[in-house]
Amino acid sequence: ETGVTQTPRHLVMGMTNKKSLKCEQHLGHNAMYWYKQSAKKPLELMFVYNFKEQTENNSVPSRFSPECPNSSHLFLHLHTLQPEDSALYLCASSQEGSGGHNEQFFGPGTRLTVL
Amino acid sequence: SQKIEQNSEALNIQEGKTATLTCNYTNYSPAYLQWYRQDPGRGPVFLLLIRENEKEKRKERLKVTFDTTLKQSLFHITASQPADSATYLCALGNYGQNFVFGPGTRLSVLP
Repeated sequence: ETGVTQTPRHLVMGMTNKKSLKCEQHLGHNAMYWYKQSAKKPLELMFVYNFKEQTENNSVPSRFSPECPNSSHLFLHLHTLQPEDSALYLCASSQEGSGGHNEQFFGPGTRLTVL
Repeated sequence: SQKIEQNSEALNIQEGKTATLTCNYTNYSPAYLQWYRQDPGRGPVFLLLIRENEKEKRKERLKVTFDTTLKQSLFHITASQPADSATYLCALGNYGQNFVFGPGTRLSVLP
């Protein structure tokens, strides 16, 4: 266990559905991240929160909406997704944000399928 | 724009041999380079970090080198075991910037 949990582990949704992914870290870290991992492609950084403030939005479509109510919890709200959004969504945390030497701790991911 | 390449999509080696994985980058001058291991259906797990002023870092059977002139990092696993089979990712970072990950190399250690 890495100290980062994600729910649900698997999600199937239609293009008109609204769903949310949840991430929780038990490490006392101050930075949290959302990544997208598609087959045959590198990990893509989506959002970064540092001390609950969003510090990075990597040109992510508005159908993905992040929420960080506190330093331990991170949500990704999903609305009117497309089939190409099907991927593994990974949450990570680190002591501080913005690179440097910060080791990232990843959750197990949510496997999302959009029909 | 910056580009990160990892030597091959897949690498097969015999148990007991040394596995060498390559991470090359262009249009970038990272201050830090990390290596992660990822097993199927799971998130990446941090293995090692090396700084730009360090030539080499070791941890048990793992060794990482960082050559800023060649813009390359080598990741070695000595006395490889089937349990080392996984995808290995390199990630480059700089001061005040988030890490960027490479595409990964899938290593298979054959018994």
